[in-house]
Amino acid sequence: AQKITQTQPGMFVQEKEAVTLDCTYDTSDPSYGLFWYKQPSSGEMIFLIYQGSYDQQNATEGRYSLNFQKARKSANLVISASQLGDSAMYFCAMRENNNAGNMLTFGGGTRLMVKP
Amino acid sequence: DVKVTQSSRYLVKRTGEKVFLECVQDMDHENMFWYRQDPGLGLRLIYFSYDVKMKEKGDIPEGYSVSREKKERFSLILESASTNQTSMYLCASSTPGAFPYEQYFGPGTRLTVT
Repeated sequence: AQKITQTQPGMFVQEKEAVTLDCTYDTSDPSYGLFWYKQPSSGEMIFLIYQGSYDQQNATEGRYSLNFQKARKSANLVISASQLGDSAMYFCAMRENNNAGNMLTFGGGTRLMVKP
Repeated sequence: DVKVTQSSRYLVKRTGEKVFLECVQDMDHENMFWYRQDPGLGLRLIYFSYDVKMKEKGDIPEGYSVSREKKERFSLILESASTNQTSMYLCASSTPGAFPYEQYFGPGTRLTVT
């Protein structure tokens, strides 16, 4: 079974609007972490935001926030006030704390396109 | 800033050739990783290393090997390249000493095997 599922292969959003990128995960480990990365066309993966499984509050980093619904096993990324520079691939990833080496499992990604 | 560099951005090789992809990080990170990225499949872990001369298989190690002789350098080796190894290869590093242990990535190498 897929551990990380991103159901939106591609999305459009109008500049200055908010957008939600979906991510669901599957784990039996009670302790885990969830990450979002951005990959612009240049190819380099950029770490955006982190949510721990025991965190009581949703993580926020500037225009990025993570809508964490533990019971539903979802960790959606919300980008507020979209900018043209937000056009990129976005990947959701999970680290299960029972693994050595802090390995991450990635989803298939969502391509976000911001329209002017 | 953490810097992870990869030896080539683009590489074209012939079927059967031995291919070396080099990755160097400058932050003294213990952990290093090699992924391949294919459309719709995201990133899949090939191998990782948590110390010099230590290596562990990831999800798709077949057809690949790795070498880590120095802490800062992690090499991915395709012993006999095949066309199904045409892909984007990404190297990453992390340290268990800095929560939340996010991985820092290099710019990637786009390998084409003809």
